[in-house]
Amino acid sequence: GESVGLHLPTLSVQEGDNSIINCAYSNSASDYFIWYKQESGKGPQFIIDIRSNMDKRQGQRVTVLLNKTVKHLSLQIAATQPGDSAVYFCAEKSGGQNFVFGPGTRLSVLP
Amino acid sequence: GAGVSQSPSNKVTEKGKDVELRCDPISGHTALYWYRQSLGQGLEFLIYFQGNSAPDKSGLPSDRFSAERTGGSVSTLTIQRTQQEDSAVYLCASLEGRSTDTQYFGPGTRLTVL
Repeated sequence: GESVGLHLPTLSVQEGDNSIINCAYSNSASDYFIWYKQESGKGPQFIIDIRSNMDKRQGQRVTVLLNKTVKHLSLQIAATQPGDSAVYFCAEKSGGQNFVFGPGTRLSVLP
Repeated sequence: GAGVSQSPSNKVTEKGKDVELRCDPISGHTALYWYRQSLGQGLEFLIYFQGNSAPDKSGLPSDRFSAERTGGSVSTLTIQRTQQEDSAVYLCASLEGRSTDTQYFGPGTRLTVL
């Protein structure tokens, strides 16, 4: 069946370092991918998205990379800050308007 | 502008009682989603409304769960005869649906079934 998963459930990085959060997906027909950030007690917050006709997209301090050959998605956060500490979810749009979410990666930023 | 709002923010109920959770989507958004998130877990799809089309109920875990969306705006998720395993955060999201595919989430309702 369809699945979206993450290679690392937890990630700890030093403040100022770059963070890379990975995600694997299984549905090669998925055409839209999103990264969300969820802070404790809050709903997921949109970070960045990418369509399947692209392999890279940049935002403010964040970059999403899409490798359709190996069905892999990654989120890169430059100069990680304490405020970046949260759980990060990837999601794929799979069939119509259904979204499938991964289990999440907890990012901890160390001082 | 106003985002997605949900009420109540917290709900504690006794096993066997019915509960109603409310979602107010962003005005003008055509699609509305309900998800369930258990502690430390990812998001589990429950139901999806798109315009006037029949809702996609494929994620509802049992017939105790139902949802409606009145007037293409506000949605209510109803859980009948609640069980302890229903305890979770219930998240609502809306999506503009015409020019973007981005979902915007509400803060969620934390449901605790004693």
